[in-house]
Order: sequence, then C-alpha cells, then structure tokens
Amino acid sequence: DGGITQSPKYLFRKEGQNVTLSCEQNLNHDAMYWYRQDPGQGLRLIYYSQIVNDFQKGDIAEGYSVSREKKESFPLTVTSAQKNPTAFYLCASSIFRGRTNTEAFFGQGTRLTVV
Amino acid sequence: ILNVEQSPQSLHVQEGDSTNFTCSFPSSNFYALHWYRWETAKSPEALFVMTLNGDEKKKGRISATLNTKEGYSYLYIKGSQPEDSATYLCAPSWNQFYFGTGTSLTVIP
Repeated sequence: DGGITQSPKYLFRKEGQNVTLSCEQNLNHDAMYWYRQDPGQGLRLIYYSQIVNDFQKGDIAEGYSVSREKKESFPLTVTSAQKNPTAFYLCASSIFRGRTNTEAFFGQGTRLTVV
Repeated sequence: ILNVEQSPQSLHVQEGDSTNFTCSFPSSNFYALHWYRWETAKSPEALFVMTLNGDEKKKGRISATLNTKEGYSYLYIKGSQPEDSATYLCAPSWNQFYFGTGTSLTVIP
C-alpha cells in the first residue's frame, strides 16, 4: 500500500541530545514537509523540500536540520539548539506542479518529549 | 508567515444540525485552497482542493465554496453526524501549504 510513514510514534530524549525523526513515503511525491504542532496552535512549517538535494526553511526552522538525499526520505533532526523541542511533529508529502501542490498526504506523527 | 484565519475556533452542535466554518486568507498570488479533516488519533485527510474563483465542491454531506477575489472559503456540513467530529483545517497553497489553526467540531448525539 502506498503511504507515508513516520517513526517512531513516541520518542523521549534527554535535554541537550540531538534526535532524528524519520519520514518515508512510497507515493513518488516530489515535495515533502515537516510541521510542528503545539497545544492550541495550528501546524507550523519547519522545513520543506520540493526536489532531491534541495530544501527550504519554513517559519520555525531554527534549531532543526533536514536532508533530502532520496526522493522517498526526509528525516528531521531536532538539535540541542532548539529551545523548546517537546511537541507533536507531522510529516507530509505532495506532488508539486509548477507553483502549487496537489493534496497533501500525512504521516501518523511523532510525539517528542524532552526531559 | 502568511495570515490564514479560521473561525470559529471551536463549535459544538447537535446531531442533525447543519453548520459552516470560514477560512480567510490573503487574496493576492492565489493558486489553490485545500480543506482537510483531522480526526483524533488519525492523520489529516484531504477533503477538497479548489483553484478557481466561484468553485464549489461537494462530497456527501460536506461542501465548500471559494471566493479568491475577497480571500475566503466556506465549508458546510449538512445534517451533522457524530462521525463528523474532527478538526477542519484550511490551507492556501502557493509553493507550500499555509495552514490555519483549524475549527474543532464536536457533534453531540
């Protein structure tokens, strides 16, 4: 079945440690996105990538890093520089056509707790 | 950062009631408007993607309209059912998606 997979579903880390969240899709989508959701807030864009080996900062990129070495994979690293990393992280993908996108498909999310 | 506003923030309705939500967005450089439904413990799922001014889309009891000139979209649910309970997100799309904060709908049996 085609889809987008995030792992793990829950993640606990000690403060000061880097942690990498996985996102894999087999939909052959060009574009992939990372969002963060905090209680009472909407989805805020961290990074996005429209093509392999290229990515762009979103609204809240500070303290995060990404890579896009393969079309299928867009891992997100939460670094120790991220001041408040505890949140729900959602990955998405879509077909990017010209200047807009087809519908987005989402993973199940990763809930990161830093203690 | 693009300002996308959704109202109301939350809504409780009785089963069988009809309801509607609003999504407001900047009307310049518009390409597409997406609506998503996000049920608890699930992933958001696309409802509609609309591109043209005056567009109307329908899926069962749910429909949406789009006004790109004034920068708003309405989502309508006719005869709400408990399974409609979810957060409804709108997202104008340029080179990325700009999500609103959503409208949380609870349908009371």
